[in-house]
Amino acid sequence: QKEVEQDPGPLSVPEGAIVSLNCTYSNSAFQYFMWYRQYSRKGPELLMYTYSSGNKEDGRFTAQVDKSSKYISLFIRDSQPSDSATYLCAMRIQGAQKLVFGQGTRLTINP
Amino acid sequence: DVKVTQSSRYLVKRTGEKVFLECVQDMDHENMFWYRQDPGLGLRLIYFSYDVKMKEKGDIPEGYSVSREKKERFSLILESASTNQTSMYLCASSLPGENYGYTFGSGTRLTVV
Repeated sequence: QKEVEQDPGPLSVPEGAIVSLNCTYSNSAFQYFMWYRQYSRKGPELLMYTYSSGNKEDGRFTAQVDKSSKYISLFIRDSQPSDSATYLCAMRIQGAQKLVFGQGTRLTINP
Repeated sequence: DVKVTQSSRYLVKRTGEKVFLECVQDMDHENMFWYRQDPGLGLRLIYFSYDVKMKEKGDIPEGYSVSREKKERFSLILESASTNQTSMYLCASSLPGENYGYTFGSGTRLTVV
């Protein structure tokens, strides 16, 4: 079993829809949670960062962490074609330098 | 604008060749990482480095080595390239500590024929 599980998709939704992207994990020691966005033929870029449990909002993006369920989510409101990309979750334990990544979910927003 | 620069976007090499992938960052980051990204397998860590001349094996170091002679430069070396090393290679850097994410380069698409 992988430490971090993420449905690879692909996921295709109409413009304006609310998108929900999710990851589950097995290691309860994970404390730091991130979402990266990767456009085609580019490197991933950091989108959201959350420490421990709770929600964090940044514009149309909301990151949620539920440590009791070992489940994290990224919500995109009013989705735009420019949001079409692969979204990767990543996490690390306290004191660790390296991140553990999910497989990535490929998302397409259709105009 | 801060950057991680990978020397080549596309590279084609022959089986058995020694291949060098170069990565340079201009952010004075201590940590540097090399990943490969394959469909269905996601990002897999090859090697990382916390400081100059220091290196640690990641999850899939076999067939690779690294060099970090200067803080800003981290090189990945394929000692004898094989077709199963055809992949997208991503370099990243970060500050030390849990509160920092990675800054990635744009990647090198390596094809070994």
